[in-house]
Amino acid sequence: DAGITQSPRHKVTETGTPVTLRCHQTENHRYMYWYRQDPGHGLRLIHYSYGVKDTDKGEVSDGYSVSRSKTEDFLLTLESATSSQTSVYFCAATSGGRTDTQYFGPGTRLTVL
Amino acid sequence: SQKIEQNSEALNIQEGKTATLTCNYTNYSPAYLQWYRQDPGRGPVFLLLIRENEKEKRKERLKVTFDTTLKQSLFHITASQPADSATYLCALDARGGGNKLTFGTGTQLKVEL
Repeated sequence: DAGITQSPRHKVTETGTPVTLRCHQTENHRYMYWYRQDPGHGLRLIHYSYGVKDTDKGEVSDGYSVSRSKTEDFLLTLESATSSQTSVYFCAATSGGRTDTQYFGPGTRLTVL
Repeated sequence: SQKIEQNSEALNIQEGKTATLTCNYTNYSPAYLQWYRQDPGRGPVFLLLIRENEKEKRKERLKVTFDTTLKQSLFHITASQPADSATYLCALDARGGGNKLTFGTGTQLKVEL
């Protein structure tokens, strides 16, 4: 997984509770991304970061926030989880450059009851 | 907005045959297109990248073509093996900077003995 870890790997929570997912990378990549993957929708970008404290929204950002206080860590927070946020979440990173590939973490399976 | 289409139906082929997967896109002219492999329960892994000015790219048993007139990329696996069974995703560079990618929903390939 190219030095990218995610925690937790699995989580079950209840509607209305806050949830934070962590992505950690060891390769000093500048850009980091959070995706969710759902059947029939593929990978959809939630938020991304282009540097420490620099973040921006993706196509499905409602209900999610992110923070990046260090190069190696990118946190995804669900302030008040809903059942529609049940999904598999993937973190990815790249060093930049026009054609750079993305390296993905192993994913976090989140279930909101 | 950008739209990527991959055949949602699984592709079943016999070992030794050539598998051909299709990726069509609309409403965009990408600078490059990437193909990723995803195994169950794991994050996507980069396979090949092809730029807009390249017609074909090869890597071992893999071949990718890119037809910017048809707005289509074909991904070929020659002499397929059961170990090639996985879901294959195409992705193209997304607008708006940040080295973002837009992913297709993927095509599941199953190679049978």
